Amino acid sequence: KAGVTQTPRYLIKTRGQQVTLSCSPISGHRSVSWYQQTPGQGLQFLFEYFSETQRNKGNFPGRFSGRQFSNSRSEMNVSTLELGDSALYLCASSLQGGIYEQYFGPGTRLTVT
Amino acid sequence: QKEVEQNSGPLSVPEGAIASLNCTYSDRGSQSFFWYRQYSGKSPELIMSIYSNGDKEDGRFTAQLNKASQYVSLLIRDSQPSDSATYLCAALSNFGNEKLTFGTGTRLTIIP
Repeated sequence: KAGVTQTPRYLIKTRGQQVTLSCSPISGHRSVSWYQQTPGQGLQFLFEYFSETQRNKGNFPGRFSGRQFSNSRSEMNVSTLELGDSALYLCASSLQGGIYEQYFGPGTRLTVT
Repeated sequence: QKEVEQNSGPLSVPEGAIASLNCTYSDRGSQSFFWYRQYSGKSPELIMSIYSNGDKEDGRFTAQLNKASQYVSLLIRDSQPSDSATYLCAALSNFGNEKLTFGTGTRLTIIP
C-alpha cells in the first residue's frame, strides 16, 4: 500500500506571496492532519480534516487554511507569506476520524525569501 | 512550561545496551500517547502508541505510561546503531478540540 504523498517536495517563495501544498493520504485513510516543523518550535499541529470538514485546529493565524476533497486528498494554503513561515510542512493520515495513529508523508520544505 | 517535555539530549548509549527515553506532559486531559522516530532529513515514523497505564511491548520497544505521574517513557532493548535518531513523544488531548502536542524530541546516538 502506498504511503502518504506530498507535493511539491521543495518550494521557494517570496515574502507576501501565497502557496498551496498538497497531500494524498494512504488509501482508505479519511483523516488528514497538517503540521509545521521548525528547528526552534519543533512539530506544531495546524489542523485536521475528516470527511471534508475541519475537525480540529491548532493555534496558527488565519493565513493558514486548508481543505479536504471527497477523495480525502487535502490541500493547505498559506497566504501573505512571512519569513517565519519557512519550515517543513508535514501531512499525516490516519484511518479513523480523529488524531490517533498517524502516518506522515515526506513533507514539503518551504523556504520564504 | 511546555505541554510535553523531553530531554533534548544527545543521549549516547553503547550498542547492545538499553536506551531509556523519558517524557512528561502537563495536560491531564491527555489520554493517548505516541512515540515517533525521526531520522535526520526524514519525516516522523510511528513506533509505539499507548493508551492505558502500564507497559506495552513491541519487539525491542517497550512504552510505559503512568497517568498519575503524567509520565511516558520508551525503552529500547539491545540498542542498534540503526536506532540512532530523534525520538518524539506526543500526547493527544481529547477534550473538545482534539490536539496532538509533540515534545521537541530526544536525540539518541548508539555507539558501536
